[in-house]
Amino acid sequence: EDQVTQSPEALRLQEGESSSLNCSYTVSGLRGLFWYRQDPGKGPEFLFTLYSAGEEKEKERLKATLTKKESFLHITAPKPEDSATYLCAVQASSNTGKLIFGQGTTLQVKP
Amino acid sequence: ETGVTQTPRHLVMGMTNKKSLKCEQHLGHNAMYWYKQSAKKPLELMFVYNFKEQTENNSVPSRFSPECPNSSHLFLHLHTLQPEDSALYLCASSQGLFQEQYFGPGTRLTVT
Repeated sequence: EDQVTQSPEALRLQEGESSSLNCSYTVSGLRGLFWYRQDPGKGPEFLFTLYSAGEEKEKERLKATLTKKESFLHITAPKPEDSATYLCAVQASSNTGKLIFGQGTTLQVKP
Repeated sequence: ETGVTQTPRHLVMGMTNKKSLKCEQHLGHNAMYWYKQSAKKPLELMFVYNFKEQTENNSVPSRFSPECPNSSHLFLHLHTLQPEDSALYLCASSQGLFQEQYFGPGTRLTVT
């Protein structure tokens, strides 16, 4: 069964304190791994797509990496505005566009 | 309007009511999706439409009935819902089935 597990569930950082969020997955043939950011009361906002092991993508203070079993979202020198829930999702090569989401990591960055 | 819009943003309905959720995408995409987001649970796919044709029904109860009249509009018709159906219902769209999905702001549904 395709599955996504994110850790930790919640993370508190001081402003400027770098850290990483983990997304472990099992899927029958990975077509793509997606990272989203969700603010309270809003829909998820697309951040990155990763397709193959070794791939990396960056956007401002965020960097996403991918291995054959997991993905990391590295946050460098975070700011309070980076506070949000970060969602990871996978798409299997065998399905019809379905995204399977993890439960998310809620990040709080204190000034 | 830009991106993906959803109406209404909030809805309270009794278990015997019939209501509809509306989603419109202004991105020129061909695929549209309904997701359910409950507290403490991962986002759960409900339905997928590609070029107006349903390609996925994720074992959703028949009290939820989707409709996709064209590639820009998606509806979710609701009837005889249960309190456990209370959740945030999110619509998304993508250029193709295997590309990134863009989400609307959601409809917060409360069933009393």
